[in-house]
Amino acid sequence: DQQVKQNSPSLSVQEGRISILNCDYTNSMFDYFLWYKKYPAEGPTFLISISSIKDKNEDGRFTVFLNKSAKHLSLHIVPSQPGDSAVYFCAASASGTYKYIFGTGTRLKVLA
Amino acid sequence: DTGVSQDPRHKITKRGQNVTFRCDPISEHNRLYWYRQTLGQGPEFLTYFQNEAQLEKSRLLSDRFSAERPKGSFSTLEIQRTEQGDSAMYLCASSLRSSVAFFGQGTRLTVV
Repeated sequence: DQQVKQNSPSLSVQEGRISILNCDYTNSMFDYFLWYKKYPAEGPTFLISISSIKDKNEDGRFTVFLNKSAKHLSLHIVPSQPGDSAVYFCAASASGTYKYIFGTGTRLKVLA
Repeated sequence: DTGVSQDPRHKITKRGQNVTFRCDPISEHNRLYWYRQTLGQGPEFLTYFQNEAQLEKSRLLSDRFSAERPKGSFSTLEIQRTEQGDSAMYLCASSLRSSVAFFGQGTRLTVV
């Protein structure tokens, strides 16, 4: 039972354009969402998070949007840079629990 | 470097051998987590410590797996009688109370 889904295994974007990575979840108890970036042979690096009381959170080039009614969130990267090329994981957690449930990741390739 | 530290980074072992991994969390972080990641998947939760108490274990953590966090500082994850299916990246993360979890660089285990 995949509670957090990233349906696009890969995405290619030209440098300077917008990258949009999507994530869907099924568990309505999830109230905190995060995005992590992962390079090969390294651990995940935290990027940005959002609580369910918000619908948008912005940090520099990264913006996360949350649509609770659709159980959908997205990560926007503007402008995309070659150094953004990595695997991006969406994760979710519920209040009172300690663990994150991760999606399967989307591999982003930013073309120079 | 004050991030989460894991040792070793890589481990190759023969099937049936025991292995032990170490994780040093960010100092002052009272929560420590172990995750496992296999190819093409997102990290999967294994277990969680709050200080020295192990509060949750995933059903993924068979009897061959044991984790400890003596004195609420570093943690060890031991796998006894390793099997080929144990080959994965083992990730440790830590957080301060319910804040964002930060991951280490992982230990890549290969069972031959």
